[in-house]
Amino acid sequence: QVQLRESGPGLVKPSQTLSLTCTVSGESISSGDDYWGWIRQPAGKGLEWIGRIHSSWATNYNPSLRSRVTISADTSKNQLSLKLSSVTAADTGVYYCARATVTRVGTAMVYYFDSWGQGTLVTVSS
Amino acid sequence: QSVLTQPPSASGTPGQRVTIFCSGSTSNIGSNTVNWYQHLPGTAPKLLIYSNNQRPSGVPDRFSGSKSGTSASLAISGLQSDDEADYFCATWDDSLNGYVFGTGTKVTVL
Repeated sequence: QVQLRESGPGLVKPSQTLSLTCTVSGESISSGDDYWGWIRQPAGKGLEWIGRIHSSWATNYNPSLRSRVTISADTSKNQLSLKLSSVTAADTGVYYCARATVTRVGTAMVYYFDSWGQGTLVTVSS
Repeated sequence: QSVLTQPPSASGTPGQRVTIFCSGSTSNIGSNTVNWYQHLPGTAPKLLIYSNNQRPSGVPDRFSGSKSGTSASLAISGLQSDDEADYFCATWDDSLNGYVFGTGTKVTVL
């Protein structure tokens, strides 16, 4: 059974870079056809997809965050990382990493997150 | 601002049936399958329904999903106090080339 755990600083100053790590156990992030994603819930708002990385290391990002986001992987540690630059108070929230299963049925994309970490709260404040 | 619209709240008494709707467009719900997540504050979101109407192992059959055109719905029958949570629809959006979540619906058991 795959398990994910987010970690990183809980407090980041405005204009700095938010850096989080997701440690995956029970499955190798470099095998299979899974995607690994980051999702956040800004304070008082709903869930927002940040981006994803495939086991081939191809990435996709939310267009609204693309200019500030980098998702990468460290296979030696079986970890994913998220970097979000030039943060503001609007980036305050709970950040989750999750495993996504992706297939196609005809032309329809079947894409869902079936395993999630517990999340980590990041506050942007001076 | 989300491209998938849900009512902000829904409620029912124990045992009742509650239905939550999710409205999208041809580039998301109209083209791809829909998922539903249950989220309790302070916990990890839980996958309830995937591929429009499929339940993962362990999800009670009180939860059911459907899709028609550019809309989808989640029905909770036999409402229980444990069902009080936020519920989000989600799908892939071909125009944005990204995954989108609905605005979320808070379900209250009266």
